Amino acid sequence: GAGVSQSPSNKVTEKGKDVELRCDPISGHTALYWYRQSLGQGLEFLIYFQGNSAPDKSGLPSDRFSAERTGGSVSTLTIQRTQQEDSAVYLCASSYEGPPRDEQYFGPGTRLTVT
Amino acid sequence: LAKTTQPISMDSYEGQEVNITCSHNNIATNDYITWYQQFPSQGPRFIIQGYKTKVTNEVASLFIPADRKSSTLSLPRVSLSDTAVYYCLVGDMHPGANNLFFGTGTRLTVIP
Repeated sequence: GAGVSQSPSNKVTEKGKDVELRCDPISGHTALYWYRQSLGQGLEFLIYFQGNSAPDKSGLPSDRFSAERTGGSVSTLTIQRTQQEDSAVYLCASSYEGPPRDEQYFGPGTRLTVT
Repeated sequence: LAKTTQPISMDSYEGQEVNITCSHNNIATNDYITWYQQFPSQGPRFIIQGYKTKVTNEVASLFIPADRKSSTLSLPRVSLSDTAVYYCLVGDMHPGANNLFFGTGTRLTVIP
């Protein structure tokens, strides 16, 4: 079956612009996660959804970051007024039930470059 | 909040057993320990998960001592294709708790 998909695969934007990153989870997966991975670094957890709810958004780096999930499926991560330090690969994952016991399936990521 | 520490890198020859240890001194009672593998330009892939003692599947074993303050991923007879970054994840089961911490990852290089 289809895995987790993300779009766009690459995004180059100018500093100060807003960007939207999209994640399509595996059908039937109730949990969805966003992570950020800077070049050569580990994974930084951003936020997780159980259904359409994100019980705790404290992992988001600043108030320029927001995320939503609609219909228990597609999720969008929005970064407003992008800064160069936002450049990274943004990874989305989904799982059938939720953390931490459930296996997460990762998408290929969106590589964001802020110039 | 459980945080993890792993060696930055390891080298191994083909055919050897590799053990990668992750420290998580502040692990909580409800936390599970999960290991992921990541190849360049790909998202991480699940390897194995455990809570205590030993877990084994077709690709790896996971050893967790009684105090659960560390865990060791064991890869038997590695091959060149096992060259990747290995992450240890410790997480909280409580609904609403975004306490999922990936370690910094261990870059394993398998040498012919």
